[in-house]
Amino acid sequence: ELKVEQNPLFLSMQEGKNYTIYCNYSTTSDRLYWYRQDPGKSLESLFVLLSNGAVKQEGRLMASLDTKARLSTLHITAAVHDLSATYFCAVPLPLRNQFYFGTGTSLTVIP
Amino acid sequence: ETGVTQSPTHLIKTRGQQVTLRCSSQSGHNTVSWYQQALGQGPQFIFQYYREEENGRGNFPPRFSGLQFPNYSSELNVNALELDDSALYLCASSLPRYGYTFGSGTRLTVV
Repeated sequence: ELKVEQNPLFLSMQEGKNYTIYCNYSTTSDRLYWYRQDPGKSLESLFVLLSNGAVKQEGRLMASLDTKARLSTLHITAAVHDLSATYFCAVPLPLRNQFYFGTGTSLTVIP
Repeated sequence: ETGVTQSPTHLIKTRGQQVTLRCSSQSGHNTVSWYQQALGQGPQFIFQYYREEENGRGNFPPRFSGLQFPNYSSELNVNALELDDSALYLCASSLPRYGYTFGSGTRLTVV
């Protein structure tokens, strides 16, 4: 069974600081997706990483994928309060369109 | 605006009852997937429909069933509700390689 692990599970950081969230997965996949979820809300797509070495950036967030290491990172630069949310990585089961989601990282940015 | 609409937004049912949740997919998306998200956890794959046929199923019992209609809208039916079925149910439509677009979800509470 495919396992997707994120760390940390909880992250409290001050505004202006940098931090990285890690996503490890247990099987071969050339794709990985990052989502954001606000409390009580649905999932918002952040990044679609489609190949080894892929790097995507949007505002203060940057995501990368290393398929050989089975690792993706979500880097936060100069955090602001609006980034407070839960972040999920998701890996598709090979040859299928079924996603396995990580446990999520709950991020709180403190003023 | 997400393009994927779910109804109802909230629902309270009694243990043992049956429930039907509905999803209208984003235009052009012929694949619809359903996920269950328990509180504090990542979404878990229930099943997927492609062109009106089930195209994959997660580790959920047969009392979870679904339908997809010619217009690509979908239903999730759950029979004999249990307390542990209380969760946020997410519908997602997709095109290959582009990941999911999630609906806003239905919050089901079983009492």
